[in-house]
Amino acid sequence: AQSVTQLGSHVSVSEGALVLLRCNYSSSVPPYLFWYVQYPNQGLQLLLKYTSAATLVKGINGFEAEFKKSETSFHLTKPSAHMSDAAEYFCAVSATGFQKLVFGTGTRLLVSP
Amino acid sequence: GAGVSQSPSNKVTEKGKDVELRCDPISGHTALYWYRQSLGQGLEFLIYFQGNSAPDKSGLPSDRFSAERTGGSVSTLTIQRTQQEDSAVYLCASARGINEQYFGPGTRLTVT
Repeated sequence: AQSVTQLGSHVSVSEGALVLLRCNYSSSVPPYLFWYVQYPNQGLQLLLKYTSAATLVKGINGFEAEFKKSETSFHLTKPSAHMSDAAEYFCAVSATGFQKLVFGTGTRLLVSP
Repeated sequence: GAGVSQSPSNKVTEKGKDVELRCDPISGHTALYWYRQSLGQGLEFLIYFQGNSAPDKSGLPSDRFSAERTGGSVSTLTIQRTQQEDSAVYLCASARGINEQYFGPGTRLTVT
């Protein structure tokens, strides 16, 4: 079975500061890992995905995540936060590419001027 | 091209009534998923369709929930005898290639 833990339901940063959103996973098989972003009253948008091709994954809007098997982590980072990054971020895992996604509880990112 | 669309965007219904939620996937996508997003439970998988294979219904919370996918395209999620705990945002996603699930904007269901 797969599961995901996101540490911190809320993260606050100043504009221009580093963004770090934490995600730890549990999987009985090599996982596929994803980060999605949700803006208010909208659906989920894929930021990036890990599918074993490379451990450092670059996504849209300047975000990236590093797969660390030894730490069972897939933390999301962005060097410099922008006001438009304020949203809710979900980490998700699946056992294979076509199976259901199992989501974490989400982290709301707040960006202050 | 067009993304995943869902209708209605909002639905208010009385407890005990049946509701139908519709999902139009991206053209050519063979896989279709339904998820539910609620304050208490977060994002939960409900059901998954892949081509002509039998659907994975393992996430449906009760037998009041059912879904079908006609012609490998449009899907309808039906909730019978709605309860207040069914209030949530119902999200549909579709996929063609491996790993790429594209989500619709969701249907917000409120059961009064």
